[in-house]
Amino acid sequence: DTAVSQTPKYLVTQMGNDKSIKCEQNLGHDTMYWYKQDSKKFLKIMFSYNNKELIINETVPNRFSPKSPDKAHLNLHINSLELGDSAVYFCASSHTGQGDTEAFFGQGTRLTVV
Amino acid sequence: AQSVTQLDSQVPVFEEAPVELRCNYSSSVSVYLFWYVQYPNQGLQLLLKYLSGSTLVKGINGFEAEFNKSQTSFHLRKPSVHISDTAEYFCAVRMIQGAQKLVFGQGTRLTINP
Repeated sequence: DTAVSQTPKYLVTQMGNDKSIKCEQNLGHDTMYWYKQDSKKFLKIMFSYNNKELIINETVPNRFSPKSPDKAHLNLHINSLELGDSAVYFCASSHTGQGDTEAFFGQGTRLTVV
Repeated sequence: AQSVTQLDSQVPVFEEAPVELRCNYSSSVSVYLFWYVQYPNQGLQLLLKYLSGSTLVKGINGFEAEFNKSQTSFHLRKPSVHISDTAEYFCAVRMIQGAQKLVFGQGTRLTINP
């Protein structure tokens, strides 16, 4: 009964490869997010989707392409992986609107590019 | 734009001692405030949040935080820490209206020594 689940948990790949990370939430939320945590633990938003529509795109390279087939899923595809893409990627979800819209986070995907 | 500054990158304390983790924020619009905890190799878990009302907010695991609007601060406190509180703590803000993204501080590593 995991609320926000990501797969895989660990991903090791070579430079230049293309990889995907999947995220699913069973909380009935209408907004999903991708955050990146770098090697210094700093967290920054990458994308936000609301009901399958892209809402936030925070100056992320075009090699990163999110896809939301439905409001319970938000996948992240990365083309031509670079060493600097190594990080922990967190998926999150929340309700939209004012008030108590707490974001719930997945366990993270640790991506290592070698 | 919003920014969050956590004034201490590392805080070592002895078990059963009190602790305060400091957080200051900057925003031209009204924001909600949050503290998240990240245990090793885990996702982020919400500790507490300030939306409105009483400026003293109580959260899980015995933590509390006080919102100070004039000083734009939201410091986290616990009167007596336990070894299990060892983790990374993140302060975050989110606009009340507009883009629903969390803007995080740099994190504070809390280490509890026996």
